[in-house]
Amino acid sequence: DGGITQSPKYLFRKEGQNVTLSCEQNLNHDAMYWYRQDPGQGLRLIYYSQIVNDFQKGDIAEGYSVSREKKESFPLTVTSAQKNPTAFYLCASSRDRGGEQYFGPGTRLTVT
Amino acid sequence: QQQVKQSPQSLIVQKGGISIINCAYENTAFDYFPWYQQFPGKGPALLIAIRPDVSEKKEGRFTISFNKSAKQFSLHIMDSQPGDSATYFCAASGFWNQGGKLIFGQGTELSVKP
Repeated sequence: DGGITQSPKYLFRKEGQNVTLSCEQNLNHDAMYWYRQDPGQGLRLIYYSQIVNDFQKGDIAEGYSVSREKKESFPLTVTSAQKNPTAFYLCASSRDRGGEQYFGPGTRLTVT
Repeated sequence: QQQVKQSPQSLIVQKGGISIINCAYENTAFDYFPWYQQFPGKGPALLIAIRPDVSEKKEGRFTISFNKSAKQFSLHIMDSQPGDSATYFCAASGFWNQGGKLIFGQGTELSVKP
């Protein structure tokens, strides 16, 4: 089965802790993206990567970090510097930039 | 210049009716316009997409109408079913823009009544 997996589905953390969200794809896609979704809003881009070992900031990158050491994997770390980390986080991938983007099932992060 | 405006915010349609959701964009350089369907607690699923070289695309009960001069595009769901009840997002992108990032509308919550 080809697709995008995100884990865990739900994540709870205390304020001040860093947390890493996993995203893996077996679609052989070059480009990967992280979006954040808040209630009643559209998705906003956090980071994107077009190729291994390269990534770029999106519109709301402050307080987040990523790595792209393997083509299949694009983990997102939510750091303690992110002021409002509670949200639904979605990972997506596309064959190349500007192509169709397919989303994973999402991780709901709650920070208290 | 980067915004995509979507309307209405919510929509109630009777089973068998036509659901219509509209989007408007500002940047004429956008070259890809997808629609996503999202159920509660799930990731968005790509429904249908269009590029500016055609004015209409149909896939089953779903049709995108595209008006390049007006910078508008819309989703029509024919013969709407209760199973279509979900949130729908339009989006726009250009390969030149931040790796082809999608700029999303605010979403439309569709409810199809039996």
